Amino acid sequence: RKEVEQDPGPFNVPEGATVAFNCTYSNSASQSFFWYRQDCRKEPKLLMSVYSSGNEDGRFTAQLNRASQYISLLIRDSKLSDSATYLCVVTPDRGSTLGRLYFGRGTQLTVWP
Amino acid sequence: DTAVSQTPKYLVTQMGNDKSIKCEQNLGHDTMYWYKQDSKKFLKIMFSYNNKELIINETVPNRFSPKSPDKAHLNLHINSLELGDSAVYFCASSQKNDRGFSGANVLTFGAGSRLTVL
Repeated sequence: RKEVEQDPGPFNVPEGATVAFNCTYSNSASQSFFWYRQDCRKEPKLLMSVYSSGNEDGRFTAQLNRASQYISLLIRDSKLSDSATYLCVVTPDRGSTLGRLYFGRGTQLTVWP
Repeated sequence: DTAVSQTPKYLVTQMGNDKSIKCEQNLGHDTMYWYKQDSKKFLKIMFSYNNKELIINETVPNRFSPKSPDKAHLNLHINSLELGDSAVYFCASSQKNDRGFSGANVLTFGAGSRLTVL
């Protein structure tokens, strides 16, 4: 079983739509959670960290449900520039080495005009 | 100014050859990594160095040998290339954070080196 599972999509939505991505992780002791964004043929870039209480950054809202081992990302008022692959990222338990990140395979989003 | 730069960006070579990819970061970060992204788009860690010391070595074949001459550089040498080595190799760096995990787990990636083995 993969450490991080994501629906690969693709998600095709019109500009202005609200879209949500989900991801599940297998290790209940996982400590830190992130969403990264990867544009086509580019490197991944940190979008936002995910905190237990949930957090928001502009049009983006991330939620963590530790009991269900589930992470979500909500994008409101989608823009054309949001088209990318969104990677769910999890770090293993506290005993493991810092910087060992487990990436999901990503969810592809295309926003059309 | 590129924060994490890696060269070459593209590399096409024959099976059995030996090749190297170089990486440099000018962020002052303590830790550098090599990640591999295969054709199915999974990103997997290969190696991690903290201030020139190897701290993560995933189950990667011995044909892959990282070298860190100083904390700003981490190179990857691959011997006897195989078809399955074709992938995009990303270098990354992060800042050591003594207060907790968050800073150390925020990676800045290079643009990637696309390796094609024929």
